[in-house]
This record gives sequence, C-alpha cells and structure tokens, in this order.
Amino acid sequence: DAMVIQNPRYQVTQFGKPVTLSCSQTLNHNVMYWYQQKSSQAPKLLFHYYDKDFNNEADTPDNFQSRRPNTSFCFLDIRSPGLGDAAMYLCATSRVRGGGQETQYFGPGTRLLVL
Amino acid sequence: AQTVTQSQPEMSVQEAETVTLSCTYDTSESDYYLFWYKQPPSRQMILVIRQEAYKQQNATENRFSVNFQKAAKSFSLKISDSQLGDAAMYFCAYSSGSRLTFGEGTQLTVNP
Repeated sequence: DAMVIQNPRYQVTQFGKPVTLSCSQTLNHNVMYWYQQKSSQAPKLLFHYYDKDFNNEADTPDNFQSRRPNTSFCFLDIRSPGLGDAAMYLCATSRVRGGGQETQYFGPGTRLLVL
Repeated sequence: AQTVTQSQPEMSVQEAETVTLSCTYDTSESDYYLFWYKQPPSRQMILVIRQEAYKQQNATENRFSVNFQKAAKSFSLKISDSQLGDAAMYFCAYSSGSRLTFGEGTQLTVNP
C-alpha cells in the first residue's frame, strides 16, 4: 500500500547531539511537510518542500534543518537538540500545493526524547 | 492570521450513541477548506472528513458528518453510532493554501 513511512518510530538522543529523522513516501507526492507536535498540543508546521523548493516557517528555530534529496525522501535534522525539542515529529505529504484542497497524508511520527 | 478553536478539550460518549465535536475558526478568506483529522493513541493521523467552503451541502462519510455554518464560521463533527475504535484525539483543521492550521484537539473517549 502507498504510504508515508517514518523511521525510527522512537529516537533517543543526548542534549546537544545532532539527530536526523527520516521520512519516505510511496505516494509520489510533490509536497512534503514536517510538523512538531508536543504532548496534547496541535501539530505545528516547521517547514515544507514543494518539489525541491524549501519553505521555512517564520518561527521555526535555526536549529531545525531539512533535506530532500529526491521525491521519495525527506529528512529533518536537529543540529543541537535541547530538552524543549522533545516531541513527536510528524511527516506529511500532499499531491500538490496551493488551493487548500489538497489532503495531507501523515506518517506515524517519530517520538524524540532528549536526555 | 487564521485561527482554529476547539473549545472541548475532552468529550466522552457511550458506545452506539451520537456525539458532536465543536470547532470554530476565524478567517477573512472566502475560499478555503476544512478538515477533521483523527489521531488514535500511538497511531498516525488520518483524515476523517473534509468540507469545501464553497459547498453549501454538508459533507458526510458513513457515520461521520459535519455541520458547516459558514456565516458563523463553525464546523462541527457528528459521530453517529459511536464505536470503541472511534476513541482518539480529533483535530479540526483549516487550509486556504499549502498550510494546515490545526485546532488544539478534542480527546474523545468511548465508553462500552
């Protein structure tokens, strides 16, 4: 089945140690998104790629970076994780961007724990 | 900026009963889309139902239906014949472009 896959499902890192989360999709969608979701809160958009075009949200900390080497894969890099970065990170995709009508399809998320 | 408000942090319903989750939003746009997403515990977020703002007819998907009141900027979700598997966090979301704006969520408990 076509889907959005996130690995790993759980990630433990140390304070200040760089960590990379990965997302892959078999939907062949043009747009990929990264959200941060803290406990019992709404997902917060960090950034998205429309094809190779990177779009950062204004309030996304510089500590967060992303790479999209090809259509299928997208990575979230946290350069120096702090305790406040512990959260669920959700990857989502949509077929195209714009118009608002495009449904986003979510992966299962990666739960990040910072020690 | 668009905002989405879910005023019920928690709701509960008896199995086989009906429950309505509330959502209001604020926007100056005329063309937009509204969604309800479901996020079960430790499982991925999935789309429950969507509504195009230009459509007057309320969307329906099996046991799930919405009451879309555009003038009041209200978009409630009705779940009929509730099942144990409906227990989840439900998020209302708004989109007029590439960005989804989520509400804070409503945790639904289904009692057997």
